Parts: sequence; structure tokens; C-alpha cells
Amino acid sequence: DTEVTQTPKHLVMGMTNKKSLKCEQHMGHRAMYWYKQKAKKPPELMFVYSYEKLSINESVPSRFSPECPNSSLLNLHLHALQPEDSALYLCASSLQDARGDKQAFFGQGTRLTVV
Amino acid sequence: AQSVTQLGSHVSVSEGALVLLRCNYSSSVPPYLFWYVQYPNQGLQLLLKYTSAATLVKGINGFEAEFKKSETSFHLTKPSAHMSDAAEYFCAVSPFSGGYNKLIFGAGTRLAVHP
Repeated sequence: DTEVTQTPKHLVMGMTNKKSLKCEQHMGHRAMYWYKQKAKKPPELMFVYSYEKLSINESVPSRFSPECPNSSLLNLHLHALQPEDSALYLCASSLQDARGDKQAFFGQGTRLTVV
Repeated sequence: AQSVTQLGSHVSVSEGALVLLRCNYSSSVPPYLFWYVQYPNQGLQLLLKYTSAATLVKGINGFEAEFKKSETSFHLTKPSAHMSDAAEYFCAVSPFSGGYNKLIFGAGTRLAVHP
């Protein structure tokens, strides 16, 4: 199983809503990532979790709150978002290995629209 | 800081023609380099990766790339384009950062294939 599964595929939310994006992998990867991709732009790293602990926060606004409840799951909690936060949110995972394979596997993404 | 530059935001080729997508990197140490493909409304799929084992890297779907340290390049090629190759292609570099894979993407190149 080399899949990273993201749900939902599409999400429309109002600026006062609270919602969550979910990501799951069963490849035994201990590093998990959230990327944000605006239209016609490359993905940009938001967060990195390593062994279920937050390792990198790329100065992301606090209205985005990541959570890694176990080694297979990664959530992104959303609250009080702005229309400019509308984007494709991509989850990825990789081995936690200083020596070797650095291949990141990506999910299909969640297309988020904030209205 | 490490970065990648993709020359040409749009490339158009005829079906059956050579595909050449250019990527130059900046790095003070040998980097990990990747090419990803993204189809519309999809996640990213790894085409190939350079991890210092061999300078000529073969990937999926007939793509290959050559790492040239003297030119700081990692160009992607395919001898004969197929209509299904039309997509967005991203070159990415991963700085060594504790074992996990923090990807820094180039701006992307949109490949169009016409009959």
C-alpha cells in the first residue's frame, strides 16, 4: 500500500466555520507534511511532523492548527479562515531516515474554498 | 538556502517529439533532487529522484534526468512525447534536514502535447 488518503476531496466553508482536513497513510512513514498549493503555483510547505511531534511550522497563521494523533494520521484543523486561504491542501509522508530514501508520497489533496 | 529554477513556464511539443524540461538548482552541498508530475486537480506523483547513487536517473513513463554537477542542472527528458504526458511538472530539491523530506519546489512547467 503506497497510498496517502486525504478526506474530504472538496470542502466549502464559511469564514466563521470550523472544519478539519484528514490524512492517512499505512506505509509506516514517521514523517508527515502539510503543503498548500494556490492556483498555478507550486506547493509550499506548511508543517512537518516527525515521530508525531511538530518539527517545522513555516510561520503559518494560527487559524491553521495541525495535529498528529498517531503515526498513521495527520489532521489540519481550520478556523476563521479567509477567502485567500482557498487552495489545494496536500498531505505527504516519507520515511524518517537520515541516510536514505527521501521520497515523499503525496495524497490527492483537498480542494478548499472559503466563502 | 537551496532553491530550484525551472526555465520555461510553458513548453509545447508535438506528439512523438523530444521532451526537455529544464531545472537548475542552487546548493552548497550535493542535494536530493526530484521531478514530480501533477495532472489537473490531482496530487503530485514522483517521476524520478536523484540521491547520488547514479547521475543518470530513469523514472516512470519513459522519463529520465541527468544530474550535472558542473552545470548545477537536473533536466528532465523523454524521447517521444505522448498526449498523456500533458501536465504540470515540478522540479524539487530537498535539503538535508534531520531525515525528513522538506521539499522546495520550482515554479513548475506546464507541458502541452499537440497532435
